[in-house]
Amino acid sequence: GENVEQHPSTLSVQEGDSAVIKCTYSDSASNYFPWYKQELGKGPQLIIDIRSNVGEKKDQRIAVTLNKTAKHFSLHITETQPEDSAVYFCAASSHDYKLSFGAGTTVTVRA
Amino acid sequence: GAVVSQHPSWVICKSGTSVKIECRSLDFQATTMFWYRQFPKQSLMLMATSNEGSKATYEQGVEKDKFLINHASLTLSTLTVTSAHPEDSSFYICSALLTGSGYTFGSGTRLTVV
Repeated sequence: GENVEQHPSTLSVQEGDSAVIKCTYSDSASNYFPWYKQELGKGPQLIIDIRSNVGEKKDQRIAVTLNKTAKHFSLHITETQPEDSAVYFCAASSHDYKLSFGAGTTVTVRA
Repeated sequence: GAVVSQHPSWVICKSGTSVKIECRSLDFQATTMFWYRQFPKQSLMLMATSNEGSKATYEQGVEKDKFLINHASLTLSTLTVTSAHPEDSSFYICSALLTGSGYTFGSGTRLTVV
């Protein structure tokens, strides 16, 4: 099955700086790569996703890049704000539609 | 956007009793629902996949007789934790697959077995 690795496990940034989280996946058939933000006691919320036919996608302060050859994808958050503090998960899915999640990154934005 | 309503948000039950968690898709039909379990400070682990009108498919190591999943309609999937024990205490989350659009998650249910 798919194996998704995510780094770092924790990330502390100064408000206004950028945050980068990286994930690798093992199954070359994976074709959908979402990123989720999870706040304490709540379900994951999709913040951005990318499909395997695209190399980069941006939505305001959030961007995701995908390198299919290397089987890795990254989340970039610019101009971080305190409300960006949360746990972020990457995930990957292929033809069976099952999502495999990374271990998560706890992001803390220092004011 | 598409919303999955999950209830209850939290429940406390006595050891040996059963608990039912419901997930309803609002304004859309969910052919496929996924059920996850998340322990504190850990990632989401897929428990089972349910398709409307058919038996659920369980992941390896998940006891299907303990975690009963029913997906009798296109808008409702339920997870029943039978004979719950303290080790079943966890955060349970459902997710609906929206063909061509990705996944939408419920808000989760915090189960505490005492």
